[in-house]
Amino acid sequence: NAGVTQTPKFRILKIGQSMTLQCTQDMNHNYMYWYRQDPGMGLKLIYYSVGAGITDKGEVPNGYNVSRSTTEDFPLRLELAAPSQTSVYFCASIQQVNQPQHFGDGTRLSIL
Amino acid sequence: AQSVAQPEDQVNVAEGNPLTVKCTYSVSGNPYLFWYVQYPNRGLQFLLKYITGDNLVKGSYGFEAEFNKSQTSFHLKKPSALVSDSALYFCAVRDEGTGGFKTIFGAGTRLFVKA
Repeated sequence: NAGVTQTPKFRILKIGQSMTLQCTQDMNHNYMYWYRQDPGMGLKLIYYSVGAGITDKGEVPNGYNVSRSTTEDFPLRLELAAPSQTSVYFCASIQQVNQPQHFGDGTRLSIL
Repeated sequence: AQSVAQPEDQVNVAEGNPLTVKCTYSVSGNPYLFWYVQYPNRGLQFLLKYITGDNLVKGSYGFEAEFNKSQTSFHLKKPSALVSDSALYFCAVRDEGTGGFKTIFGAGTRLFVKA
């Protein structure tokens, strides 16, 4: 049982480049989330999805985009990378409101 | 609005001593409360949750937490700390009625257990 899988694990980008962070889960969860983790700041919600074809903004959505074409996949897109987007990105999923989230191991992104 | 506060950036404790990591929260409806642990270069791992029922909840690795509604607190405890408990701990809250089942996380508390 793989749970939530994120790729790549590490990436270095140049300012202005674009990339897609991949997230897939095999638990048939409807709800999926993208967070960024910065030192001393906890996790901030970027985007979330309540099911295939439905996405919504979280607390810090600027500079990011998402799509949800299938239940399993929830990719996060950075169009014009900026140094402020240097962070660790986590994907998570859940099925019911009283359950804990399942997290991937993160993507560590540096933008230089 | 939902919020979570972890007032201590770091907690230091000697191995074998009891430990407490503090958490207070604010929600408008009924709270669902969670503790997670994070080891280096890993995602968050679930420790325990309070949904309803007994105020003292037990979780993984000997951890427990006490829900206190009047003080809006959910402190994490362990009777006897291990060096291997050293990690980053996050408290999280979810309002039962929140759209999208969104969760608010505290800033984290780093636990350091000295041998």
